[in-house]
Amino acid sequence: DSGVTQTPKHLITATGQRVTLRCSPRSGDLSVYWYQQSLDQGLQFLIQYYNGEERAKGNILERFSAQQFPDLHSELNLSSLELGDSALYFCASSGQGRARTDTQYFGPGTRLTVL
Amino acid sequence: DAKTTQPPSMDCAEGRAANLPCNHSTISGNEYVYWYRQIHSQGPQYIIHGLKNNETNEMASLIITEDRKSSTLILPHATLRDTAVYYCIVGWNGQNFVFGPGTRLSVLP
Repeated sequence: DSGVTQTPKHLITATGQRVTLRCSPRSGDLSVYWYQQSLDQGLQFLIQYYNGEERAKGNILERFSAQQFPDLHSELNLSSLELGDSALYFCASSGQGRARTDTQYFGPGTRLTVL
Repeated sequence: DAKTTQPPSMDCAEGRAANLPCNHSTISGNEYVYWYRQIHSQGPQYIIHGLKNNETNEMASLIITEDRKSSTLILPHATLRDTAVYYCIVGWNGQNFVFGPGTRLSVLP
C-alpha cells in the first residue's frame, strides 16, 4: 500500500460526458502528479501540482483540467469525453521535491471506460 | 521521449537472479536513476533509486556504472510474483519522470 488513494476504482460513462477523478496523496506529500495509461501509449505524464499550484504540464488535453485543494487532495476533470479517453488514470505523490531522496508513490488508479 | 533504453522483454527462472539492464547515456550530473515495476494494471510500484553509488534494499539491488551511463537492477531470487513490467527512469528529486515501454520480465517456474 503506497498511501496514495484514488476514487473511484472504475468509471463507465458515455461520449460527451464529464467526469471527475479524485486523488488523496500520502500524508505530508505536497506534490501530486497525474498520469494516463492507455493500451497503445504507455504511461503519459499529464500534470503536476505542488502545494495547490500548477508546477509542470505534460501531454494534457485542453478538455482535461486539474486542481489541488488546500487539504492537498487533487481532482482531475475530464470533459467532452471521447472513446480514446478510455484508459487507466494514475495519481502519484511526492514530498517537497527538494530532497534528493524524494520519489513518486503511485495510487491504484481509476479505470475509465467511455462507451 | 524517454531518456532510457531497456530490452522489451526478458525471462528468468524462478529462484534465480534477474538482472535487468538499462541504458541512460544522456543522464546529467544531478539526475537519479529510478526503478519501478507494474504488475498487471496496478499502480507502478517504487523499487529503488540511486545517484552513483550502488544501492540495496529489501526488494532489489541497483548497480550503476562508474560513468553513470547504464545501470542494472538485480532481483536476487526471483519469484513468480516478480513477473511485471519494469521501468527505468532518470529524473531529479522525484520529478520529471518520463516512462518508456519498460522491460516485461517473465519469471518461469
